[in-house]
Amino acid sequence: DVKVTQSSRYLVKRTGEKVFLECVQDMDHENMFWYRQDPGLGLRLIYFSYDVKMKEKGDIPEGYSVSREKKERFSLILESASTNQTSMYLCASSKGQRREKLFFGSGTQLSVL
Amino acid sequence: GENVEQHPSTLSVQEGDSAVIKCTYSDSASNYFPWYKQELGKRPQLIIDIRSNVGEKKDQRIAVTLNKTAKHFSLHITETQPEDSAVYFCAASTGGFKTIFGAGTRLFVKA
Repeated sequence: DVKVTQSSRYLVKRTGEKVFLECVQDMDHENMFWYRQDPGLGLRLIYFSYDVKMKEKGDIPEGYSVSREKKERFSLILESASTNQTSMYLCASSKGQRREKLFFGSGTQLSVL
Repeated sequence: GENVEQHPSTLSVQEGDSAVIKCTYSDSASNYFPWYKQELGKRPQLIIDIRSNVGEKKDQRIAVTLNKTAKHFSLHITETQPEDSAVYFCAASTGGFKTIFGAGTRLFVKA
C-alpha cells in the first residue's frame, strides 16, 4: 500500500515567516505534487516534480517554491507566509507513466495569523 | 483555462437511495476521469476512474458514465450507506501532469 506522509497535520505560523511543508513517499514514485484545498474551489495544483531536482509550476505557484533533493521527498516552501495562504495543503505522488493516478497524503492544515 | 464544473455542491439522501454527482469538463483533449472520495479528516482516495475509450464502468455499488460528445461524466452510487458520507471530487486529465479537479460534492447519507 502506497504511503504518502506529510510531516505535520496542523501548523500555525505568523505572517512573514518562512514555512516548510515536508512530504515523503515510500513507493519509489517518480512524480510528486503539491495541491492546495480550499472549500468551494476543490484541489488546485501548486507545483509538481517528475524527477529529482526537477520542478514545474502548476496553476497557482505564486508565493510558493519547492525542493526535491531526493526521490522520496518533496518540500513546499512559503518564503514569506501571508494570511491568504491559510489552507489545507495536500501532497500526492504517482508512478512513472501512470502519472495521473494520484496517491495523496493526509494533508497539513496551515493557519497563517 | 481548463476547468471542471461539479454539481451539486451538497447532496443529502436517505440510506438505500441512489446518489448521482455530475461533472462537465472544458478541455476536449481530456482522456482520463478519476473520482476521489475524501472522508472527514482523511486523505482523498481514488474510488473509480474511466478512460475516454469507455462509456461506462462499474465497481460494485458505484459506476461512472462518460459522454465525450457533451463533455459530461457522472458518478452513480446505488444503495447508499452511511459510510458513503464524504466529499467526492471529480477530475479530468489529458494524460499529462496536470489534473483539474471539480469543487467537490458533500454527500450526506441519512440513516
